[in-house]
Amino acid sequence: EDQVTQSPEALRLQEGESSSLNCSYTVSGLRGLFWYRQDPGKGPEFLFTLYSAGEEKEKERLKATLTKKESFLHITAPKPEDSATYLCAVVVAGTSYGKLTFGQGTILTVHP
Amino acid sequence: DAGVTQSPTHLIKTRGQHVTLRCSPISGHKSVSWYQQVLGQGPQFIFQYYEKEERGRGNFPDRFSARQFPNYSSELNVNALLLGDSALYLCASSFGQERADTQYFGPGTRLTVL
Repeated sequence: EDQVTQSPEALRLQEGESSSLNCSYTVSGLRGLFWYRQDPGKGPEFLFTLYSAGEEKEKERLKATLTKKESFLHITAPKPEDSATYLCAVVVAGTSYGKLTFGQGTILTVHP
Repeated sequence: DAGVTQSPTHLIKTRGQHVTLRCSPISGHKSVSWYQQVLGQGPQFIFQYYEKEERGRGNFPDRFSARQFPNYSSELNVNALLLGDSALYLCASSFGQERADTQYFGPGTRLTVL
């Protein structure tokens, strides 16, 4: 069964304290991996799309990387406004292109 | 540019009732997917529609149905509501079927079943 697991479940950081969030996946074939940010009660906001192992994407304080088994979201010098739930999702080969399979998310809290 | 829009924002229903949720995709997007998100979990896939045809269905009962209109907007219908249907319902749009396109989400509809 296709599975996406995110760790840790929750992460508390001090402002400026860099860290990484992990997304490990067990799927029959990966068509794409997606990172989203979600604020409470709102829809997920798109961050990155990764398609191939070795691929990296950067945006402001965030950097996403992809291997054949997992993806990392690196947060450099986070600020309180980076506090949110970060969701990882995959599209699996042989399934609908429009079907995202999500992990349970990592709740990030950044203290000033 | 307008993003994905959903209506209504909030909805309160009682058990056994029927509900219709609406979604308008980003201009130029032909694919719409629906997701259910219960508190503390990641979204769960319900349906995908592309060019008015169902292209994917998640593990949800037949009480859930959807359709897509010629202007690519979409409706999600849920019959015989149960308490467990209380959730945030999300709509996402993307360009189409050629690859695993990025999906952009709307703000969601919060459904409460009493």
